[in-house]
Amino acid sequence: KQEVTQIPAALSVPEGENLVLNCSFTDSAIYNLQWFRQDPGKGLTSLLLIQSSQREQTSGRLNASLDKSSGRSTLYIAASQPGDSATYLCAVTHSGNTPLVFGKGTRLSVIA
Amino acid sequence: NAGVTQTPKFQVLKTGQSMTLQCAQDMNHNSMYWYRQDPGMGLRLIYYSASEGTTDKGEVPNGYNVSRLNKREFSLRLESAAPSQTSVYFCASSERVRLAAFFGQGTRLTVV
Repeated sequence: KQEVTQIPAALSVPEGENLVLNCSFTDSAIYNLQWFRQDPGKGLTSLLLIQSSQREQTSGRLNASLDKSSGRSTLYIAASQPGDSATYLCAVTHSGNTPLVFGKGTRLSVIA
Repeated sequence: NAGVTQTPKFQVLKTGQSMTLQCAQDMNHNSMYWYRQDPGMGLRLIYYSASEGTTDKGEVPNGYNVSRLNKREFSLRLESAAPSQTSVYFCASSERVRLAAFFGQGTRLTVV
């Protein structure tokens, strides 16, 4: 059974700092990996999707990397802003055509 | 830009009552999903429908039933609500299983 772990569970940083969120998964036979953002009381917004054949994806100040063989992904946020404060969720799909399996998320607070 | 629409947004039920959560998507997606989100547990898959006319159990299906009414709509039914079903329920859709998923805003359900 695929298990997804996100470390740390919570993170607080001062505005302007660069930061890295970590995601690991136990079964490396993934099809893709998605990073989501969730604001309090809201739904999930997709940030980046990395196919299993890719090493990284970038969108603005966000960069997600994937090391499939070691079962790890990182989400790098450059020059953090208070508006980045949210919970960030990592999720993977398996090559066996199964739906997303989620980690428990990292709650990020960016302090002005 | 409706995307995935869930109704209702909030609901309070008494133990033993039944209700149906509605979900509709306007992206012509083939696959739809129901997840629940509980504090400290992350998102867990309840049921999914890979395509119109099919449904499959997820990680936590007990106490729920689903209906894929047509390609657009996927409903989740609680036949006899229990306090353990107090949660936030999210519907999602994707073009096919394993592809990028889009989420609704959630239904916050409290069973007293």
